[in-house]
Amino acid sequence: EADIYQTPRYLVIGTGKKITLECSQTMGHDKMYWYQQDPGMELHLIHYSYGVNSTEKGDLSSESTVSRIRTEHFPLTLESARPSHTSQYLCASSPTGNQPQHFGDGTRLSIL
Amino acid sequence: AQSVAQPEDQVNVAEGNPLTVKCTYSVSGNPYLFWYVQYPNRGLQFLLKYITGDNLVKGSYGFEAEFNKSQTSFHLKKPSALVSDSALYFCAVRADGGATNKLIFGTGTLLAVQP
Repeated sequence: EADIYQTPRYLVIGTGKKITLECSQTMGHDKMYWYQQDPGMELHLIHYSYGVNSTEKGDLSSESTVSRIRTEHFPLTLESARPSHTSQYLCASSPTGNQPQHFGDGTRLSIL
Repeated sequence: AQSVAQPEDQVNVAEGNPLTVKCTYSVSGNPYLFWYVQYPNRGLQFLLKYITGDNLVKGSYGFEAEFNKSQTSFHLKKPSALVSDSALYFCAVRADGGATNKLIFGTGTLLAVQP
């Protein structure tokens, strides 16, 4: 019953390629987040957004960039992928107030 | 600064036995605490939250958590474990006054329920 969608689920691609990971939510949430997670490991916030045209860097430095042109869409881009970018990327959203974040199923990215 | 700790990397329990997954926190001001579960190749699923009110919070799939202010703990519990409860569990605390709803996550605890 997920209302937040990430595509692709899996991506294996060569070094130097430009990559965009898609994240869309249908709940009208203002706040959206990107996390990086190595398998079975803790989550690190890399980007977040308060709303349209607002983005901020998270706690973990990342070479990726994000945009928020529409409320429902929060794509993450890597201009030139490197093996060090291999990881799982999780997108989440939340409404205002003390409500939990809702997560997508993630994109598992492997850079060869 | 806000922080959350999960002291156990893994918890092993036999099916049918009670389980506890530990979490302690450090916050300035009132704590806003959450538990999430992650199954393999999936995102995180929300289990329960504590904002205010009763110290015993009930959540999804029969889980509950006990908020203890004096011990700054928020342990996750279930009276009778199922094999299907085997997963990675994350405790989280809200990072700021609510402007961003950012969460700080613990390092996760892998729960293994043996049949």
